[in-house]
Amino acid sequence: DAGITQSPRHKVTETGTPVTLRCHQTENHRYMYWYRQDPGHGLRLIHYSYGVKDTDKGEVSDGYSVSRSKTEDFLLTLESATSSQTSVYFCAASSGYQETQYFGPGTRLLVL
Amino acid sequence: TQLLEQSPQFLSIQEGENLTVYCNSSSVFSSLQWYRQEPGEGPVLLVTVVTGGEVKKLKRLTFQFGDARKDSSLHITAAQTGDTGLYLCAGAARAGNNRKLIWGLGTSLAVNP
Repeated sequence: DAGITQSPRHKVTETGTPVTLRCHQTENHRYMYWYRQDPGHGLRLIHYSYGVKDTDKGEVSDGYSVSRSKTEDFLLTLESATSSQTSVYFCAASSGYQETQYFGPGTRLLVL
Repeated sequence: TQLLEQSPQFLSIQEGENLTVYCNSSSVFSSLQWYRQEPGEGPVLLVTVVTGGEVKKLKRLTFQFGDARKDSSLHITAAQTGDTGLYLCAGAARAGNNRKLIWGLGTSLAVNP
């Protein structure tokens, strides 16, 4: 357990509005990740960070941006939410050792 | 594109039965991990295998990494209802700052009493 929390845990929003999800970790892990999990698609990487202010795109990054101004916080922003972004979003963190990732509890996002 | 194929996708068995879940790829991984995810929660690491041919045991769960480090299996002996969940395999192919994992789609296991 890497002490990973996500906020909010649940959110309902309307199409076209911006949404920011927050991930906070207490173990000083260098690497952080944002995934979305959808039936039939498994876990898909949205963006990841390999250090403060160092981020890179994952396989489904369109419509999402991230920021990491401190080691412990990794923010995911949906710039203009669409119904296709309805999903469960997971944050993860890793020290890089054997690539083990520790996950937060998830955020359920519904875009109407 | 690296892919990890996991099978079976769904499995429903009775308590006490044995089962095996497979994770296969054409790519070589530096390590392979198995996670279990319960409804409403994030995945939790069960084991990491690193060496080709490696076998690790976690109580009734046995994990094996293929000799060529391209595949892995998870065997559960005498399944219990508490084993119910989604089992995910993930492979690592380290390169520079790349610490990403390649994920299988998961095996949804239901153990019935």
